[in-house]
Amino acid sequence: NAGVTQTPKFRVLKTGQSMTLLCAQDMNHEYMYWYRQDPGMGLRLIHYSVGEGTTAKGEVPDGYNVSRLKKQNFLLGLESAAPSQTSVYFCASSLGSGVDTQYFGPGTRLTVL
Amino acid sequence: TQLLEQSPQFLSIQEGENLTVYCNSSSVFSSLQWYRQEPGEGPVLLVTVVTGGEVKKLKRLTFQFGDARKDSSLHITAAQPGDTGLYLCAGDAVGGSEKLVFGKGTKLTVNP
Repeated sequence: NAGVTQTPKFRVLKTGQSMTLLCAQDMNHEYMYWYRQDPGMGLRLIHYSVGEGTTAKGEVPDGYNVSRLKKQNFLLGLESAAPSQTSVYFCASSLGSGVDTQYFGPGTRLTVL
Repeated sequence: TQLLEQSPQFLSIQEGENLTVYCNSSSVFSSLQWYRQEPGEGPVLLVTVVTGGEVKKLKRLTFQFGDARKDSSLHITAAQPGDTGLYLCAGDAVGGSEKLVFGKGTKLTVNP
């Protein structure tokens, strides 16, 4: 039981390049979330999903796209990376919404030059 | 937009001291969660409080949910270096929400 895993752990991009971050969970959770964490800003929600095939915008969705084709996977895409997207990205999953525990992955540190 | 304000933002203390961190809002929440995040890792849930006035203890950590469900506090007794980390509170909006609102966190350093 690996919980929530994220791939890759580190990545350096040049401005304008694209990439996809992969999040996988093996807990059969319905809800999945992508956050970014910047110094002094806490966790900000980018996009989330309430089930396979669904996605919804969070607090800071611009410049990102997501897909949830399989229940266990949640992909975060950057089509044209910008230096403002330099951050640590966390994926989380939960059985349900609200009061249910969110289980976080170890994070991906992304630097955009 | 519901906001959670955490204070203090930074706290550096000596081993053995007591401390309290706060999580405040002008909005009412159905529940509040506290997470701890260690450097290089994702946050991990410590506790969930759901009833106004509720107090929960986890060893040396005491969590309280305000009577009006707008605020919460975390008190640590006799802090240890292992308590070092970023403490985040997160709230679930009244009426149900698909997502949590996170505070910006309190970064605690406990020096030996």
